[in-house]
Amino acid sequence: GEDVEQSLFLSVREGDSSVINCTYTDSSSTYLYWYKQEPGAGLQLLTYIFSNMDMKQDQRLTVLLNKKDKHLSLRIADTQTGDSAIYFCAESITAGTALIFGKGTTLSVSS
Amino acid sequence: DSGVTQTPKHLITATGQRVTLRCSPRSGDLSVYWYQQSLDQGLQFLIHYYNGEERAKGNILERFSAQQFPDLHSELNLSSLELGDSALYFCASSSTGYGYTFGSGTRLTVV
Repeated sequence: GEDVEQSLFLSVREGDSSVINCTYTDSSSTYLYWYKQEPGAGLQLLTYIFSNMDMKQDQRLTVLLNKKDKHLSLRIADTQTGDSAIYFCAESITAGTALIFGKGTTLSVSS
Repeated sequence: DSGVTQTPKHLITATGQRVTLRCSPRSGDLSVYWYQQSLDQGLQFLIHYYNGEERAKGNILERFSAQQFPDLHSELNLSSLELGDSALYFCASSSTGYGYTFGSGTRLTVV
């Protein structure tokens, strides 16, 4: 069955790197996503990675995918207080199918 | 502004009542997805429409229904409301089948 798991909370200091981890169970997942949700707001797409990729970098964000272990991570370099939010990992089996979300990791950044 | 418009932003209603939530997708997007976000259940997929046709159902209660109209906007109807239906309801749209764009949500409070 489909399931996505994330740790619930991460606390870092401003300027440090943050690493948010996610595991998924469906090995046929084709697309994996990271979304950000700020308080009282909707979900903002940060980045996504296709299952045939190992890594994707986009400015301060680096996504690593280990298909063998079904493990996805999001690294945020030089974390800022504005990065404080809930980060959701999500998977979809094929293009167009609904996203299955994890419960979200709350990132708290202290100055 | 993500381009996905949801109305109303907030809704307070009594148990047993019926409400309709509206979503206008991004221009050109044929797919609309509805999600429910609650503290205990996280983000749950409810239903997916593509160009007016239902494509997939998730954890949608029988008291809930949806439709997508010829102009591609979608409505989610919630009836016989219970306290436990209080949640944030999001819609998302997509054209490519990846990179889903979310609206800012409708916060439903049932009293």
